[in-house]
Amino acid sequence: DQQVKQNSPSLSVQEGRISILNCDYTNSMFDYFLWYKKYPAEGPTFLISISSIKDKNEDGRFTVFLNKSAKHLSLHIVPSQPGDSAVYFCAASAGSGNTGKLIFGQGTTLQVKP
Amino acid sequence: DTGVSQNPRHKITKRGQNVTFRCDPISEHNRLYWYRQTLGQGPEFLTYFQNEAQLEKSRLLSDRFSAERPKGSFSTLEIQRTEQGDSAMYLCASSLGAQGLAFFGQGTRLTVV
Repeated sequence: DQQVKQNSPSLSVQEGRISILNCDYTNSMFDYFLWYKKYPAEGPTFLISISSIKDKNEDGRFTVFLNKSAKHLSLHIVPSQPGDSAVYFCAASAGSGNTGKLIFGQGTTLQVKP
Repeated sequence: DTGVSQNPRHKITKRGQNVTFRCDPISEHNRLYWYRQTLGQGPEFLTYFQNEAQLEKSRLLSDRFSAERPKGSFSTLEIQRTEQGDSAMYLCASSLGAQGLAFFGQGTRLTVV
């Protein structure tokens, strides 16, 4: 039972263009969503988050959009840079933003070509 | 470095052997989490502690797995009688309270041969 799904295993974009990573969830109890980035041989690093009371959160080049009715969120990276090449995980939590116990998606490998 | 530290980084063991991993969280963090990540999957929650109390265990944590956090500081995860299916990256994370952001360590990669 995969409660958080990232249906695209990989994505390749040109440097300077927009990267859009998608994530779907099934559990309506989820109220906090996070994106983590992971480089090989390292642990996940927090990137950006959004509470279910919002539909958009922006931090520099990174913007997360939440569509609660569709149970869908997306991460936009503009402009994409080669250093953004990594695996991106979407994660969700339930219960007043408990950000420690997380349910992760399978990840999407982003490659940004120079 | 004041981040989450995990040791060892890599462990190769023969099937049937016991292994133990250690996690040192960020010092002021009272919550500590263990996750397991297999190839092509995201991290899966195993268990978590608030101070020294183990508050939740996933059904993924079979009887061969045990975790401790004896003084509310570092934690150990032991796997007894390892099986090839235990081969994975074991990740530790810590946070300050339930709403504190979880910071991950670099993980321990276990290979059971």
